[in-house]
Amino acid sequence: GQNIDQPTEMTATEGAIVQINCTYQTSGFNGLFWYQQHAGEAPTFLSYNVLDGLEEKGRFSSFLSRSKGYSYLLLKELQMKDSASYLCAVRPPNGYNKLIFGAGTRLAVHP
Amino acid sequence: DADVTQTPRNRITKTGKRIMLECSQTKGHDRMYWYRQDPGLGLRLIYYSFDVKDINKGEISDGYSVSRQAQAKFSLSLESAIPNQTALYFCATSDTGGAYQETQYFGPGTRLLVL
Repeated sequence: GQNIDQPTEMTATEGAIVQINCTYQTSGFNGLFWYQQHAGEAPTFLSYNVLDGLEEKGRFSSFLSRSKGYSYLLLKELQMKDSASYLCAVRPPNGYNKLIFGAGTRLAVHP
Repeated sequence: DADVTQTPRNRITKTGKRIMLECSQTKGHDRMYWYRQDPGLGLRLIYYSFDVKDINKGEISDGYSVSRQAQAKFSLSLESAIPNQTALYFCATSDTGGAYQETQYFGPGTRLLVL
């Protein structure tokens, strides 16, 4: 079966660091994506991991461990505008670029 | 101008009505997708198309049909709308282009309410 788990909600303080975890059990693996989605808006691409390790992009970093079926998104120097849902999506290796999405983690950043 | 547009942005309809949601893109991408999003369930794939002659069912295609009129246009139809099709619908595109990453880019969404 295909299953992706993320915490439903998280809260954090402005200026702090937060880590959003994602675990997956899928029939094969061909890449993992993180998207940001503000309420009522389109998901926007944040990061992509296909090999183990950390990918850093400004304030945002994403980590992948394929052997553990685990990824996390790290947000540093949190800003109020980071309040959004963060979606983890896995691409199975079937050649069709279909993504399986987790339900998303809603992050609230407080002053 | 937005790269991926969807019309209408909001729609209220009645049970049994046929409606069409439209998606257009100026990104020049070959691949297009339709998803629905429900609270607590995440995005689920309805249909996808890899070119004008290629249409494939996703995980929840029952009650829906699609048409790929051109590379840039991909429409989703609800033949006879029912209340549990009330959801937020997103169109997305991705580029083959030899780029293995093949990131999907989403339109702004259509909020549909079926009464």
